[in-house]
Amino acid sequence: EVQLVESGGGLIQPGGSLRLSCAASGFTVSSNYMNWVRQAPGKGLKWVSIIHPSGDTYYADTVKGRFTISRDNSRNTLYLEINSLRTEDTAVYYCLGAPIGVWGQGTKVTVSS
Amino acid sequence: QAVVTQEPSLTVSPGGTVTLTCGSSTGTVTSGHYPYWFQQKPGQAPMTLIYDTSNKHSWAPARFSGSLRGGKAALTLSGAQPEDEAEYYCLLSYSDGRVVFGGGTKLTVL
Repeated sequence: EVQLVESGGGLIQPGGSLRLSCAASGFTVSSNYMNWVRQAPGKGLKWVSIIHPSGDTYYADTVKGRFTISRDNSRNTLYLEINSLRTEDTAVYYCLGAPIGVWGQGTKVTVSS
Repeated sequence: QAVVTQEPSLTVSPGGTVTLTCGSSTGTVTSGHYPYWFQQKPGQAPMTLIYDTSNKHSWAPARFSGSLRGGKAALTLSGAQPEDEAEYYCLLSYSDGRVVFGGGTKLTVL
């Protein structure tokens, strides 16, 4: 069974840092296009970042310079490093594996003092 | 960055047919944008219905289909059921490597 499981969310103060993880089973992270997607409370889905099988990475303009996507092939896990957290980063963060479109259940990040 | 547009809301009668569309500010949507369609119900993670324009997931009901129509990506629901009431999002990929979601369509079955 294909499964993605996110972890690492929580309550963080503004200016802090966080690393989110997305562990895959039945699915090879390094062979697929892996995305991070976020959804602020009551809002729509917003694409955050992607890492290609080649290792190329791309970011939405709103997070470029603060977010870093990476993967650990040996652990079959995707990561998102978030620095200089802002209140507007509060959201549920999902990983999405393409091309088949498999989603994790999400991890909630709350940025508040 | 490109803007992807969807109808904010649509209503369909039970058993009826409705088409949701997904347009791009850059012009015609093609198969090269690898259009996706997702369904999200309140409190749940999104679920992929259609990938690469028209490929349907095994878990997607047969009443959903994807296509290109009139310069846009389209999701057609034929024979709407009450459980199809949800938010629907499209996603397009662009040649600069970035990916953009549409704003979502709230579908009401009434």
